[in-house]
Amino acid sequence: AQSVTQLDSQVPVFEEAPVELRCNYSSSVSVYLFWYVQYPNQGLQLLLKYLSGSTLVKGINGFEAEFNKSQTSFHLRKPSVHISDTAEYFCAVRSYNNNDMRFGAGTRLTVKP
Amino acid sequence: GAVVSQHPSWVICKSGTSVKIECRSLDFQATTMFWYRQFPKQSLMLMATSNEGSKATYEQGVEKDKFLINHASLTLSTLTVTSAHPEDSSFYICSARDVKGLAINEQFFGPGTRLTVL
Repeated sequence: AQSVTQLDSQVPVFEEAPVELRCNYSSSVSVYLFWYVQYPNQGLQLLLKYLSGSTLVKGINGFEAEFNKSQTSFHLRKPSVHISDTAEYFCAVRSYNNNDMRFGAGTRLTVKP
Repeated sequence: GAVVSQHPSWVICKSGTSVKIECRSLDFQATTMFWYRQFPKQSLMLMATSNEGSKATYEQGVEKDKFLINHASLTLSTLTVTSAHPEDSSFYICSARDVKGLAINEQFFGPGTRLTVL
């Protein structure tokens, strides 16, 4: 079975600063990787996904992530954050031959003025 | 993109009563639906997976007699929390996949249902 570790439970950052949210996964088979954002009392919104091909994936709201197979990582980055980026971010993994998606514990991003 | 709706968005009920939550795929056929539970400040935990027309597969530790899942059509799945207790209070999120279309590798999530059991 696959698993996901988000290394930081909380990340405070000032507005317009760059940010990186870290995600590592574990799986014995090839996987698909995802980042979701969740605003308070709402469901999940897909930011970006890695299925195959280029390891640098660009998503919505200026976010991007890089798949690193050797380090089993899929870190999320944004060069300049906004107050509106304050939310909970979840990394998720699903193996090629498995039906369900497993989520990390989440990282609370707080952008301060 | 594909849209998944949930109803109700929030519900408050008395202990011992049953609550039904609906999950609908609005513009695609969801051959597989998932139900997750999320406690405050925690991640999503998969409760069960259901395929249209067949019985749901429950994750270890999830009581299938307490959390009844019905996936009777390609656009509707329901989760019924039977004899709810305060510890069942949580945020329930459904997700749907269409393995026949372009969304083969993506799950679409509903907005969630906040259940509070008094």
